[in-house]
Amino acid sequence: ILNVEQSPQSLHVQEGDSTNFTCSFPSSNFYALHWYRWETAKSPEALFVMTLNGDEKKKGRISATLNTKEGYSYLYIKGSQPEDSATYLCASLAGSARQLTFGSGTQLTVLP
Amino acid sequence: EAQVTQNPRYLITVTGKKLTVTCSQNMNHEYMSWYRQDPGLGLRQIYYSMNVEVTDKGDVPEGYKVSRKEKRNFPLILESPSPNQTSLYFCASSPTAAGEQFFGPGTRLTVL
Repeated sequence: ILNVEQSPQSLHVQEGDSTNFTCSFPSSNFYALHWYRWETAKSPEALFVMTLNGDEKKKGRISATLNTKEGYSYLYIKGSQPEDSATYLCASLAGSARQLTFGSGTQLTVLP
Repeated sequence: EAQVTQNPRYLITVTGKKLTVTCSQNMNHEYMSWYRQDPGLGLRQIYYSMNVEVTDKGDVPEGYKVSRKEKRNFPLILESPSPNQTSLYFCASSPTAAGEQFFGPGTRLTVL
């Protein structure tokens, strides 16, 4: 079983603050890294899928970077808004690229 | 509308009473999987399927069965449910194992 870790576990920020979270994963046999956004009472929704070392992806105020050599990815949110409040999950795909392993998530609360 | 559906959405049952949670997708995806979500543990993969008639164990397969007789359907079977299978279950589908996962709405199962 892969060990995918996310930090911090939870985070409270003020509206307008920028923030970032970390996802660390085994760098050996890396295939892909996923980020998902999971709002309370809803299903997880994909934000990014990244495969190449140095990948940077952006969707609105949210962006992500990937370092496959050292085994980490950062998710950044610029100018946080209350609607950004959610749990952010990362997941790593490795080896035979058939099984996705999720971290336990970072729960973000943006205070108005 | 492209979607993954699960039924039932909520279920309360008793120990030992066989049950099936259905999952269906209309996106012609080859890859389907089942996850369970427990507090503090994130999403853990139960079983996955690369294509019709091809299924494999995930990280926590004990006590579960699956089948993939048709591309669109991937039911989860609990032959003899136990209280430790009380959880929130998600079905997901994807064009490939590496692609972004599309999640169903979730099934909240309680086993008394």
